[in-house]
Amino acid sequence: QSALTQPRSVSGSPGQSVTISCTGTSSDVGGYHYVSWYQQYPGKAPKLMIYDVSKWPSGVPARFSGSKSGNTASLTISGLQAEDEADYYCCSYAGNYTRVFGTGTKVTVL
Amino acid sequence: EVQLLESGGGLVQPGGSLRLSCAASGFPFISYDMNWVRQAPGKGLEWVASITDTGFRTYYADSVKGRFTISRDNSKNTIYLQINSPRAEDTAVYYCARRPAGELFDYWGQGTLVTVSS
Repeated sequence: QSALTQPRSVSGSPGQSVTISCTGTSSDVGGYHYVSWYQQYPGKAPKLMIYDVSKWPSGVPARFSGSKSGNTASLTISGLQAEDEADYYCCSYAGNYTRVFGTGTKVTVL
Repeated sequence: EVQLLESGGGLVQPGGSLRLSCAASGFPFISYDMNWVRQAPGKGLEWVASITDTGFRTYYADSVKGRFTISRDNSKNTIYLQINSPRAEDTAVYYCARRPAGELFDYWGQGTLVTVSS
């Protein structure tokens, strides 16, 4: 149950797009279509942004999008806004009813 | 409105014990699997444990297996996490999270801080 690998930080100017990668193995990310993404502000609880690799929960803007190729999933934020500055975590089903989170990525809006 | 309210956190000595609670409201509690997820200070999220809607099946991360026990009381709309023999590395904010059908956590509580120290 090793954590999925994410870049420590990514940054972009308002209006630009940023992409966060989430790399696992064939036992988690690569083996299932069950990757979700969470946004977390400092001192706050995480918020679901994407599930099942690319589906949006109600209320999440469409400028957040998800994809997966092999053992790597990605979250793209298009049209970056100041309010998108937060930490983002991926999460994957890892078999045997266990789950594994990513190491987390800090998104900075320049 | 879905609400999850954790309680029971605090300072515990290594080798001691502590029980966390998470009271749920605003949804049919008996229909949902529930989970505990933790976050050490300044660190990332870590899935800890899950329990099925009936409470008959439980699952744990390797890091807590044999020391932590997740349980639920559907008559009280509450889940619990019994922490036994805690270690310094168990120091974290513990969140409860609802898992609807599928692999996602759609609602989270505000968290309760557990500090393991002598």
